[in-house]
Amino acid sequence: GEDVEQSLFLSVREGDSSVINCTYTDSSSTYLYWYKQEPGAGLQLLTYIFSNMDMKQDQRLTVLLNKKDKHLSLRIADTQTGDSAIYFCAELYGYALNFGKGTSLLVTP
Amino acid sequence: DAGVIQSPRHEVTEMGQEVTLRCKPISGHDYLFWYRQTMMRGLELLIYFNNNVPIDDSGMPEDRFSAKMPNASFSTLKIQPSEPRDSAVYFCASSSGVGGYEQYFGPGTRLTVT
Repeated sequence: GEDVEQSLFLSVREGDSSVINCTYTDSSSTYLYWYKQEPGAGLQLLTYIFSNMDMKQDQRLTVLLNKKDKHLSLRIADTQTGDSAIYFCAELYGYALNFGKGTSLLVTP
Repeated sequence: DAGVIQSPRHEVTEMGQEVTLRCKPISGHDYLFWYRQTMMRGLELLIYFNNNVPIDDSGMPEDRFSAKMPNASFSTLKIQPSEPRDSAVYFCASSSGVGGYEQYFGPGTRLTVT
């Protein structure tokens, strides 16, 4: 697939909100995903959104989808030091996932 | 469920040697995926199977790479002969192919070819 774009780094203070942005490529993508990867670990599925939705909320996580601009965002409320990780945006491409390069989130005390 | 299981977790081998990576998907999942993660190229799909049949292997780098899925609970990714540029983390993932098509990833195999 084409490139899914994400900014590489984000630094926030503990307790603040984090917003990670992503631009995807395929306007026909039915599902869009956010994964979290901690150092030396696999990818953990955080949440996903169906393309006919604008927003999905799951505890501290809020996903916003703008289909017109092919823009996806992940908001983490009350960010904690344990949220420090790499966050990957992905679009469903056929039955496989097309990933962005990941955004490294650093949460400072 | 134990999740997706991969072995070995780490593999160090010399250039030219054969390497075999193993994966056990989540029980009941009928899709299995192999991805490779490198700093330069990020996460790339290598191949995926549906009901043990390879569906798309267009991401397999070259003939040195081969993947099999002899049954619903086991898959292998083989590299023969291995080269230093194959050094990467190889992930296996599985999904049920219905609903949200959620893919669950294994912990990965970190391969180092010297």
